Amino acid sequence: KAGVTQTPRYLIKTRGQQVTLSCSPISGHRSVSWYQQTPGQGLQFLFEYFSETQRNKGNFPGRFSGRQFSNSRSEMNVSTLELGDSALYLCASSSGLVADTQYFGPGTRLTVL
Amino acid sequence: GESVGLHLPTLSVQEGDNSIINCAYSNSASDYFIWYKQESGKGPQFIIDIRSNMDKRQGQRVTVLLNKTVKHLSLQIAATQPGDSAVYFCAERVYTGNQFYFGTGTSLTVIP
Repeated sequence: KAGVTQTPRYLIKTRGQQVTLSCSPISGHRSVSWYQQTPGQGLQFLFEYFSETQRNKGNFPGRFSGRQFSNSRSEMNVSTLELGDSALYLCASSSGLVADTQYFGPGTRLTVL
Repeated sequence: GESVGLHLPTLSVQEGDNSIINCAYSNSASDYFIWYKQESGKGPQFIIDIRSNMDKRQGQRVTVLLNKTVKHLSLQIAATQPGDSAVYFCAERVYTGNQFYFGTGTSLTVIP
């Protein structure tokens, strides 16, 4: 089975711009979770989508949004980028069943200048 | 928010020795725990998991121990190899939601 894929792998943007990141989960998985990882902060949960619906949400401002398509692929959007948004954005897929294992993709490295 | 903490931010071990990485969690409602390994430039890789109705689980060269009394989780790696050098994260899931909380990570360095 192919693993979780994320595109693009690297991205450079300037303050004020917006960005869209994409995640394709493992085949058959219906849940996609997004995390932000910054040095020293560990992984911080952004949100989870299951069957095209946002099921859980972390404590991030409304500039961070996402969606999921009928094929379970998910996109994450960040509007009005700030320097502090520079991070590794990871998505994780799972079956969506309660307490099922999450498998991570390689991440998208976003740099905001 | 939830607090998942790691006792040591860095750990150095000799090749061939056993490694123990510790993790404290704060929510007694957490019912599922996962250990991940993250190598430089890669996403976290699943190592082993354990549910709250268990105290111990073994995998290939790895063992996870769960002490619910003191809310402590540990990862033991037997015969540590250079390829084990990475950052290790513990993650907990709180039963009230299907959301995982991660610790800040422990950096393991294996000395040849």
